[in-house]
Amino acid sequence: SQKIEQNSEALNIQEGKTATLTCNYTNYSPAYLQWYRQDPGRGPVFLLLIRENEKEKRKERLKVTFDTTLKQSLFHITASQPADSATYLCALESGNNNAGNMLTFGGGTRLMVKP
Amino acid sequence: KAGVTQTPRYLIKTRGQQVTLSCSPISGHRSVSWYQQTPGQGLQFLFEYFSETQRNKGNFPGRFSGRQFSNSRSEMNVSTLELGDSALYLCASSKTGSEQFFGPGTRLTVL
Repeated sequence: SQKIEQNSEALNIQEGKTATLTCNYTNYSPAYLQWYRQDPGRGPVFLLLIRENEKEKRKERLKVTFDTTLKQSLFHITASQPADSATYLCALESGNNNAGNMLTFGGGTRLMVKP
Repeated sequence: KAGVTQTPRYLIKTRGQQVTLSCSPISGHRSVSWYQQTPGQGLQFLFEYFSETQRNKGNFPGRFSGRQFSNSRSEMNVSTLELGDSALYLCASSKTGSEQFFGPGTRLTVL
């Protein structure tokens, strides 16, 4: 069966360090992968999208890699700040030509950045 | 530009009742998706509507239904509520068919 795995344990890092979050998937052939941030009591906020033919994508302090051979995406936050503390979710779209949006989300990883 | 709005924000119902939740997408977005979020199961896709038609459906029982109006506003309905339906229900709208913009959610508690 299809599965998306993110580290369910919280990731604690010191301010200024680089945070690296992992998203592994099985039995998927995603056309693209997305990363979202979610704060307590709020809806997820879109951060980055990377397509299957892209290896890496950057946006300000954020960087995402996508390895379709390893079936893994890595999400990096450089020069992390306490304000980056949140839960980060990866999501896959199967791209099965049915069109539309049908995202499957991982369980999320909670990031805590300590000052 | 106003974001996705959901009403009500909080709702308390009892088992066996039914509930209707409402979502207004971002202006110009024609796709509206609904998700259920619980601590145990995480974020799970319910269904997606585009131009008043259900385009995708997740693996939820028939008690969960939805519809979309000509102005792209959407409603979802849950009939015969069960305790396990207690969750945060999130609506998301999309223009491009990829990145989704989520609303704040409706927190449903079933007693």
